[in-house]
Amino acid sequence: AQSVTQLGSHVSVSEGALVLLRCNYSSSVPPYLFWYVQYPNQGLQLLLKYTSAATLVKGINGFEAEFKKSETSFHLTKPSAHMSDAAEYFCAVTGSSNTGKLIFGQGTTLQVKP
Amino acid sequence: EAQVTQNPRYLITVTGKKLTVTCSQNMNHEYMSWYRQDPGLGLRQIYYSMNVEVTDKGDVPEGYKVSRKEKRNFPLILESPSPNQTSLYFCASSPVGTSGNNEQFFGPGTRLTVL
Repeated sequence: AQSVTQLGSHVSVSEGALVLLRCNYSSSVPPYLFWYVQYPNQGLQLLLKYTSAATLVKGINGFEAEFKKSETSFHLTKPSAHMSDAAEYFCAVTGSSNTGKLIFGQGTTLQVKP
Repeated sequence: EAQVTQNPRYLITVTGKKLTVTCSQNMNHEYMSWYRQDPGLGLRQIYYSMNVEVTDKGDVPEGYKVSRKEKRNFPLILESPSPNQTSLYFCASSPVGTSGNNEQFFGPGTRLTVL
């Protein structure tokens, strides 16, 4: 069965600093991986997705993630944090049961300090 | 504008009083799904629908019902709500559910409190 683990429920960085949000997955089949962002009082918005075309995936708002099969990881990074990046971030993998279900990690809240 | 809408956005109710949360999408998507979000647990799937008149249970279906009579609508029904169903609910849709790389589009969420 697929699962996703996000290391760190809260991450705090200073404005302009590197953002690194960690995601590890387990999957018995080649996975499709996603990062979603949730701003306060809003729904989830897709940041980026990995679909096996390229291991380094670029998304919106300057975020990118690298798929590392050997480490079963899909960490999200951004070189320079902006105050507007403060939100909750979810890593997700498509389930193996072909139901279209997304299996989510627990979420990581990113705080950006001025 | 392409979107998923949910109503109501906020609801406070009492134990046992039947309620329905509506979900509608205007993107002609075949696949629709309901999730609940709880602190520390991420989002968990309640029910999903591959197309009209085709629905199936997700990971946490107990206490919920759904229907899919039209392609655009996928209401979530709580026949007898209980306090453990207090949560934030999201509806999502996707062009084709069986292709795992399809993005799911999420509604704005419904915050439900059951007293």
